[in-house]
Amino acid sequence: KAGVTQTPRYLIKTRGQQVTLSCSPISGHRSVSWYQQTPGQGLQFLFEYFSETQRNKGNFPGRFSGRQFSNSRSEMNVSTLELGDSALYLCASSLVGTGDGRSPLHFGNGTRLTVT
Amino acid sequence: SQKIEQNSEALNIQEGKTATLTCNYTNYSPAYLQWYRQDPGRGPVFLLLIRENEKEKRKERLKVTFDTTLKQSLFHITASQPADSATYLCAPLTGGGNKLTFGTGTQLKVEL
Repeated sequence: KAGVTQTPRYLIKTRGQQVTLSCSPISGHRSVSWYQQTPGQGLQFLFEYFSETQRNKGNFPGRFSGRQFSNSRSEMNVSTLELGDSALYLCASSLVGTGDGRSPLHFGNGTRLTVT
Repeated sequence: SQKIEQNSEALNIQEGKTATLTCNYTNYSPAYLQWYRQDPGRGPVFLLLIRENEKEKRKERLKVTFDTTLKQSLFHITASQPADSATYLCAPLTGGGNKLTFGTGTQLKVEL
């Protein structure tokens, strides 16, 4: 079974630009979560989508948005990039039963975003 | 506010010894707690999940304990090997859905 695929693997953008990251979950997984990882803050939860609906949202500004398609693939978008947005962005999928956290997360290897 | 603490200092141990990593949380009572391993440049990999009504969970050389009174989980690796060197993250469940809140992780180095 193929794992979680994130594209692109590396990205360099300039301040003020916008970026779209893509995530293909494991086949059959309906939940996709996004995390931002930085050396100082660790893994920070961005949002979770389940069946095309945002179910949870972290404490990030509105510049961070996402969506999920009917095939469970997900994209996240960051507009008006700032230097502080440089980070590893991780996507994780899970086979959610009741959605109470009993499903392990399966992570992709992330997209390394550098904002200059 | 909810807080998760893992030892930020790297843990260096000798091959064959037991590594013990600590995860402390405050201001909430998670029903589940998960442990992940992360290697440099890669996403975290799920290792174990423990429920609040379970005291201990084992998987091969791994053991996790969950003390809801102390608000602490311990992660043990017995007969450690250099291949166990990685960063280990604890993640108590907060909120509904897959909103796991991760600790900052503890880096483990197993030396020959």
